[in-house]
Amino acid sequence: RKEVEQDPGPFNVPEGATVAFNCTYSNSASQSFFWYRQDCRKEPKLLMSVYSSGNEDGRFTAQLNRASQYISLLIRDSKLSDSATYLCVVTDPQTGANNLFFGTGTRLTVIP
Amino acid sequence: DTGVSQDPRHKITKRGQNVTFRCDPISEHNRLYWYRQTLGQGPEFLTYFQNEAQLEKSRLLSDRFSAERPKGSFSTLEIQRTEQGDSAMYLCASSPLISGGYNEQFFGPGTRLTVL
Repeated sequence: RKEVEQDPGPFNVPEGATVAFNCTYSNSASQSFFWYRQDCRKEPKLLMSVYSSGNEDGRFTAQLNRASQYISLLIRDSKLSDSATYLCVVTDPQTGANNLFFGTGTRLTVIP
Repeated sequence: DTGVSQDPRHKITKRGQNVTFRCDPISEHNRLYWYRQTLGQGPEFLTYFQNEAQLEKSRLLSDRFSAERPKGSFSTLEIQRTEQGDSAMYLCASSPLISGGYNEQFFGPGTRLTVL
């Protein structure tokens, strides 16, 4: 079983739409959770950390449900520049932040 | 440019040949990581260094793979007797060593390896 499971998409949404991505993780002992963004043929970059209380950064909202081992990312008012692959990331509970487990990524295309 | 750099950006080789990639982390970052990413997948952890010490290796890192960071600065990843299944993007990342909390890993642009 993979450590992190994501729906690969693709998600094609019109500009201005709200879109949500979900992922699940297998190890209940995992401590830290993140969303990374990866543009085509580029390296991954940290988008935001995910906290138990939920957190928001502008149009982006991340939530964590430890009981269900479920992480979500909500993007409001989608922009063309949001088109990218969004990677759900969990730290390895055995090594902490030294080993990141990435999901396969969910591809988003925002259409004009 | 003060980001993570990798060289070469692209490498095409024939099966059975050896290849070596280099990563220069952000200066003053103590930790350096190698990941492999294949098409349609997320990056997979290979190994990490804290200064010059290699502290963790994934089971994905077969005997044909070796990584070094001799002076605690740049790192090299060597693949011996390459196989077609080694074709992937090899990503390097670095992070500072700060106690408590998560230290963001900053990724380099990657080296894309194609084994013919």
